[in-house]
Amino acid sequence: EVQLVESGGGLVQPGGSLRLSCAASGFTFSSYDMHWVRQATGKGLEWVSAIGTAGDTYYPGSVKGRFTISRENAKNSLYLQMNSLRAGDTAVYYCARGVGYGSGSKLDVWGQGTTVTVSS
Amino acid sequence: SYVLTQPPSVSVAPGQTARITCGGNNIGSKSVHWYQQKPGQAPVLVVYDDSDRPSGIPERFSGSNSGNTATLTISRVEAGDEADYYCQVWDSSSDWVFGGGTKLTVL
Repeated sequence: EVQLVESGGGLVQPGGSLRLSCAASGFTFSSYDMHWVRQATGKGLEWVSAIGTAGDTYYPGSVKGRFTISRENAKNSLYLQMNSLRAGDTAVYYCARGVGYGSGSKLDVWGQGTTVTVSS
Repeated sequence: SYVLTQPPSVSVAPGQTARITCGGNNIGSKSVHWYQQKPGQAPVLVVYDDSDRPSGIPERFSGSNSGNTATLTISRVEAGDEADYYCQVWDSSSDWVFGGGTKLTVL
C-alpha cells in the first residue's frame, strides 16, 4: 500500500524553527517528485515546496529563504526545515507525491498531515 | 502570479448534476487537476489532466477545460460527495497553484 506519514509538528514560538518529516512506503521513493502543501484552519490549500528526483527545489515567495525542503532516498524520507516561523505559518502540513511533468504535474498521493502552530 | 478563481460554494440536490468552475487566464492551455477534501481528511485526486480519472474514482466525476474556465462535473450527486473541491495547475511563473476551493453542499 502506498503511504505517506508526516511527523514533527507542534507548537513553536514566533521566530522559532521546526523540522517536519514524511515517511514514504509502498513505492520507489527516489523515482518521484515530492511536495509539501499546507492548509490553515478553515482556509484553502497552499503549495509550500517541491523537490525533484535530482534534488532540485522549488518554493513560493511566501516561504522562500525561510523553508528548506530535502529528501533522503536511502531512508524513504522527505523533510521540511522551517525557520523564522510566523503566526501565518500556522497550518496543517501535508506531504504529497508528485507525478507528471510541467503542466501535467499533479499530486496523486497525500499523507494525513501534521499540525504546526506558531504562537507565543 | 497565476490566479485560479473558484466559487466559494455550490449547492445541489441529490441525484442532480453539480458543476464547479475554475477560472484562470487562458486556463484551456493548461492541464487542470481536481481534488476532493472531506472534513478532517487529506485531499484526494479525483480528476487529472482536465478529464481523466484515477483508478477507484466513480465515472460520475468528469472534467472539461476550455478558454478561461475549467469545470468539474459530478453527475447523480450523492450525499457522500459533499466536500470541498480544489482545482490545481502548474504554471511556469507560479509553479503549483491551487484555486481557493469550493464547498459542495448536497441539499
